[in-house]
Amino acid sequence: GQQLNQSPQSMFIQEGEDVSMNCTSSSIFNTWLWYKQDPGEGPVLLIALYKAGELTSNGRLTAQFGITRKDSFLNISASIPSDVGIYFCAGLRTGTASKLTFGTGTRLQVTL
Amino acid sequence: DGGITQSPKYLFRKEGQNVTLSCEQNLNHDAMYWYRQDPGQGLRLIYYSQIVNDFQKGDIAEGYSVSREKKESFPLTVTSAQKNPTAFYLCASSIRWAAGGAYNEQFFGPGTRLTVL
Repeated sequence: GQQLNQSPQSMFIQEGEDVSMNCTSSSIFNTWLWYKQDPGEGPVLLIALYKAGELTSNGRLTAQFGITRKDSFLNISASIPSDVGIYFCAGLRTGTASKLTFGTGTRLQVTL
Repeated sequence: DGGITQSPKYLFRKEGQNVTLSCEQNLNHDAMYWYRQDPGQGLRLIYYSQIVNDFQKGDIAEGYSVSREKKESFPLTVTSAQKNPTAFYLCASSIRWAAGGAYNEQFFGPGTRLTVL
């Protein structure tokens, strides 16, 4: 099955820095979801996007649904140590073949 | 508390044995899913169920089987035919299937780590 291209694959940042990651596809999606996964745990839904161009925030997190509907971006402002984890994007096309397609993940590590 | 539970958290199996992983949800969600996650990789869909008594193969169904006799339960059996079963298994659910908008947001359980000895 298809996987979305997510970049960067991993990043080391210092506490307090802002973080940006993105997800791209050759296909159009109707919904974009962003998840965070801690080691040994299930992914937790952070933000959901339903319309092209939509910008949605959840605390220090901001995500955007790309205008072409083929990409999405996640920004984390003023990172803190508990932001460490793997961030996954997921895209959804509604219809008879409606299944979530996941990105390959961005591993974030925050240093003090 | 509403949520998805998976048990056990860790499972060890001898080669050649079948094993069943439990997934229960009390969110009243119609749709349920099973994913497999290997180290450093994303999630791959094994099976999904849109409604009770119905399920469909995902991208990597070979060597797995499921049942959906009750809305709240979607157990996964890893059979001896699965050639490389050691992985982290995640169960998820969503309000509905293919309905658009928030109905398709998938919520995940805590996972079961299966190791074949």
